[in-house]
Amino acid sequence: GNSVTQMEGPVTLSEEAFLTINCTYTATGYPSLFWYVQYPGEGLQLLLKATKADDKGSNKGFEATYRKETTSFHLEKGSVQVSDSAVYFCALSDPGNTDKLIFGTGTRLQVFP
Amino acid sequence: DADVTQTPRNRITKTGKRIMLECSQTKGHDRMYWYRQDPGLGLRLIYYSFDVKDINKGEISDGYSVSRQAQAKFSLSLESAIPNQTALYFCATSVSPSGGPRSGELFFGEGSRLTVL
Repeated sequence: GNSVTQMEGPVTLSEEAFLTINCTYTATGYPSLFWYVQYPGEGLQLLLKATKADDKGSNKGFEATYRKETTSFHLEKGSVQVSDSAVYFCALSDPGNTDKLIFGTGTRLQVFP
Repeated sequence: DADVTQTPRNRITKTGKRIMLECSQTKGHDRMYWYRQDPGLGLRLIYYSFDVKDINKGEISDGYSVSRQAQAKFSLSLESAIPNQTALYFCATSVSPSGGPRSGELFFGEGSRLTVL
C-alpha cells in the first residue's frame, strides 16, 4: 500500500544551520507530495507541495524536489531560525482520491540560538 | 476567529463514557475529515465526508462514529471510550473538486486533546 517514511527526530540545530529532513514514499500511480508543519499548540498547515516528478515546491525558504527515481521528497532549508522549531510531516495523496492524505510520523525540529 | 474550530480543546473522561468532539468551519468547504495524532504514529484518518450525504471510513474507524449535521459541521463520537483512544484529534477541511490546483491542501483545526482514564 501507499506509505511515507520520515527520518526520526528530534533534529537539533543551531540557528543559521542547514536543514535536511528526509522523506521517502511508496505509492502506486502518481501521487502528489506535501510537507505540512505543526507549530507548538497548533494544527497542521501546508508548507509546500509538488504534484509531479521533478517539480520543486518552495515556501518560507524551505524547498523540496519530487524525485521519482529515488521516491523521495526531502525538505531543505539553507539557514534555519528559532521560529522554524516545529514538527514537520511529509505526506502523499492517495492517487485514487487526491484529497485523502497519508502522513508520515513527523520529525521534530528544534533550533537553538 | 479560526476558520476551523474544534470543541472541546481538552477533555478528560473515564472508560465507558460517551464523548463527542465537534468541528465547525467557516471556509465553505465541502470536504471534512477527522484524524488522530499519536506520538510516533503521525496522523491517521478516522472518517471523512465529501458532502452532507457522504460519509466514509478511514483507516482506523473502529470504535468511532461521525455525523455530518450540515456542510459546516462534522462531529466525532466515541460511544464507549477506552484508554487507547487517548490522543490528539484533528478536524480538517478541504476544497473540492479533487484534482484542482488546491487539491491536497487541508486546513486543520487546533486539535482536541482527549484523555481516557
